[in-house]
Amino acid sequence: DTEVTQTPKHLVMGMTNKKSLKCEQHMGHRAMYWYKQKAKKPPELMFVYSYEKLSINESVPSRFSPECPNSSLLNLHLHALQPEDSALYLCASSQVVGESPRSGYTFGSGTRLTVV
Amino acid sequence: RKEVEQDPGPFNVPEGATVAFNCTYSNSASQSFFWYRQDCRKEPKLLMSVYSSGNEDGRFTAQLNRASQYISLLIRDSKLSDSATYLCVVTSSGNTPLVFGKGTRLSVIA
Repeated sequence: DTEVTQTPKHLVMGMTNKKSLKCEQHMGHRAMYWYKQKAKKPPELMFVYSYEKLSINESVPSRFSPECPNSSLLNLHLHALQPEDSALYLCASSQVVGESPRSGYTFGSGTRLTVV
Repeated sequence: RKEVEQDPGPFNVPEGATVAFNCTYSNSASQSFFWYRQDCRKEPKLLMSVYSSGNEDGRFTAQLNRASQYISLLIRDSKLSDSATYLCVVTSSGNTPLVFGKGTRLSVIA
């Protein structure tokens, strides 16, 4: 199994809603990431988990709350989002952060989020 | 100076053409280098890692010049299916995640 699975694929939410994005991998990777990507821009790093512990938070607003229940799962809890938060949210995993030069990240297909 | 800079593009080339993308990185401590491909409204997918000795995978050749902090990707005999955005990606050693360039858009035209 060499996939990263993200659910849902599409999400429309109001600014007062609470929702969660989910990500799952079964490759034994111990680093997992959340990226945000706006149209025609590269992915922007949000959070990094290494061995289930949050190791990097790129000054992300508190309305985004990550959670790593175990080594295979990564969640992103959303609350009181703004329309400008509409984007493609990508989950990725890798063996460990910045390890072997021959390994890259495996990305999930993303959740396309629209905040109305 | 941005950490990873790429040709702005877009590149519009006919089928069968050879096209080259360039990328420079600012962090001399960078150790791992990759080219990713991203199709419209899809996730990035690893195209190839870039090694110091250069490497080739079919029609794709990647080169790394550490002295000039420069990476390149050459695509020979372009196919319509090569149309995508190509992202140059770099990471340092240790606990540093990937840094993405802004990407170069390629359109291969029949």
